[in-house]
Amino acid sequence: NAGVTQTPKFRILKIGQSMTLQCTQDMNHNYMYWYRQDPGMGLKLIYYSVGAGITDKGEVPNGYNVSRSTTEDFPLRLELAAPSQTSVYFCASSSSRGGTETYEQYFGPGTRLTVT
Amino acid sequence: AQKVTQAQTEISVVEKEDVTLDCVYETRDTTYYLFWYKQPPSGELVFLIRRNSFDEQNEISGRYSWNFQKSTSSFNFTITASQVVDSAVYFCALSGIYGGATNKLIFGTGTLLAVQP
Repeated sequence: NAGVTQTPKFRILKIGQSMTLQCTQDMNHNYMYWYRQDPGMGLKLIYYSVGAGITDKGEVPNGYNVSRSTTEDFPLRLELAAPSQTSVYFCASSSSRGGTETYEQYFGPGTRLTVT
Repeated sequence: AQKVTQAQTEISVVEKEDVTLDCVYETRDTTYYLFWYKQPPSGELVFLIRRNSFDEQNEISGRYSWNFQKSTSSFNFTITASQVVDSAVYFCALSGIYGGATNKLIFGTGTLLAVQP
């Protein structure tokens, strides 16, 4: 299993540009998440999904959009990039084998994004 | 509100020393999970342990051990005989138990551990 993969690894955007961060998992996990990590900080949840076709906002959703058309993929879209979106972005997934219980999340390698 | 505090921003030790990373949490939930993750210099986040609030037994895994004390809302992590490869940022995190993905994973700000040879 590759686990959770993310592309690209690095990206520099100009203010106002748009881009999509890709995330794919091959563990058949229902739950998927997007986080951002700012320097010296922990992770903050941007969006999450409990299954294909279902997404919801996390703690810091402004400026982002997501979609979940398949179990495997959970892309994150940045529209009109701003310097405040300079961060490292992590995608994660977790199992729902227990139905409602929380399980550990497995993270991708991250995408380092700079907006100038 | 839920909150995780890792008061130690940076710790530096010499190889083979034991080191304890502190984690204090706040939650109104009576049942919850606590986690530790490791973030090495390469940047990925590696899951280390999940502990539920029902179980206050300490856990040992090789050189790693975890001390969960509900009375003091702490979930401390000890590395015995530290090695250079242990150098990383370590995050403590908290979530509810029931609710699946709707439970937010609340992270602390992390402790940077530097193990000198």
